Amino acid sequence: QVQLVQSGAEVKKPGASVKVSCKASGYTFTSYYMHWVRQAPGQGLEWMGIINPSGGSTSYAQKFQGRVTMTRDTSTSTVYMELSSLRSEDTAVYYCASGTTGDYWGQGTLVTVSS
Amino acid sequence: DIQMTQSPSSLSASVGDRVTITCRASQGISNYLAWFQQKPGKAPKSLIYAASSLQSGVPSKFSGSGSGTDFTLTISSLQPEDFATYYCQQYNSYPPSFGPGTKVDIK
Repeated sequence: QVQLVQSGAEVKKPGASVKVSCKASGYTFTSYYMHWVRQAPGQGLEWMGIINPSGGSTSYAQKFQGRVTMTRDTSTSTVYMELSSLRSEDTAVYYCASGTTGDYWGQGTLVTVSS
Repeated sequence: DIQMTQSPSSLSASVGDRVTITCRASQGISNYLAWFQQKPGKAPKSLIYAASSLQSGVPSKFSGSGSGTDFTLTISSLQPEDFATYYCQQYNSYPPSFGPGTKVDIK
């Protein structure tokens, strides 16, 4: 069965960077795009960007341009999302989701930004 | 960017009720509309894609309809496990955007 397993919770200071991983299994890794979506506490869902695991091409939401980098490692079927220059407003649960329509989701990774 | 709105923002319903949630796009998106269910502390779960196609394993009590700018999600007979927040999402054009959510709780 399809599984997306994300890395564990992180606590970062303002100005730092965080790198979240998402390991896919149960399907051909390069067959489906991977989205990253975040959810601030008590808030809705916010799309951050997408990566094509096959060629590595990416597209980011304008809001995160210059601060986010999405990469993949086909040898381990893992995608990564790195967010830099963290501020308190970046405190959120970060999700990976595979497929054009987000068919499958990871369990989420809580990133807390606090001094 | 395409803006998505949902109504109502919350509703209270009883077990067995028929519930309808509306989603509206700021411009036409054909049928590139998905619905997700999210329970507290859990990841969203995909219910419907292409406005009306049920994801594998999703019970038939869920149905979706609409095209263009106006869409609906209907739960035919609400069960205890259906109390959750529901989000629509357009994927017609980048960036994909979500509605603000509709919270369904117990009356």
